[in-house]
Amino acid sequence: DIQMTQSPSSLSASVGDRVTITCRASQGISNYLAWFQQKPGKAPKSLIYAASSLQSGVPSKFSGSGSGTDFTLTISSLQPEDFATYYCQQYNSYPQTFGQGTKLEIK
Amino acid sequence: EVQLVESGGGLVQPGRSLRLSCAASGFTFDDYAMHWVRQAPGKGLEWVSGISWNSGSIGYADSVKGRFTISRDNAKNSLYLQMNSLRAEDTALYYCAKGRGYSGYDDIDYWGQGTLVTVSS
Repeated sequence: DIQMTQSPSSLSASVGDRVTITCRASQGISNYLAWFQQKPGKAPKSLIYAASSLQSGVPSKFSGSGSGTDFTLTISSLQPEDFATYYCQQYNSYPQTFGQGTKLEIK
Repeated sequence: EVQLVESGGGLVQPGRSLRLSCAASGFTFDDYAMHWVRQAPGKGLEWVSGISWNSGSIGYADSVKGRFTISRDNAKNSLYLQMNSLRAEDTALYYCAKGRGYSGYDDIDYWGQGTLVTVSS
């Protein structure tokens, strides 16, 4: 199975900051990588697919990059509603696998 | 508007069975793959199973292989998860999710609100 490792596991930032979350796959997955946002008590929400394509309706402050084994999610100009947990997921092969999550907290 | 409504969760004893259902609306159900994803209390997301548009391609997480069976009824716009030999570690909120494409080898673009399964004696 492909293991997905996110770093950091938690991150403190201030409103207005720009942050980057990293996701590494244990083997190459081309660009079959998605990012999700989850707020407490809510279902996850799709942000990015195919490593860098923005889900419809998601603001352009969210951006993704990478290919192969190393990927990043960048969030610019943090707002209060952006503080949440973020997950990466590979869908290159079954079983699909998620990273362990990165909790973004307000500093 | 895409809607995914899960049902069938509840409290069940270890070793027993449970069947989850997901009613889909707002899109052409038989054009898309579907998935089940779970989240144990206070933990991260775990992909459980996926099924292609025509049930021709199915996959399972190692943790549920041989115990869980995914299926779909395109005539009823419904997705199912038959869960047998349940264990305490299967306790989680189970999400029904829509694939972006038809094959199952694609990402998830919409999620239901989840149904809670608790395995305990």
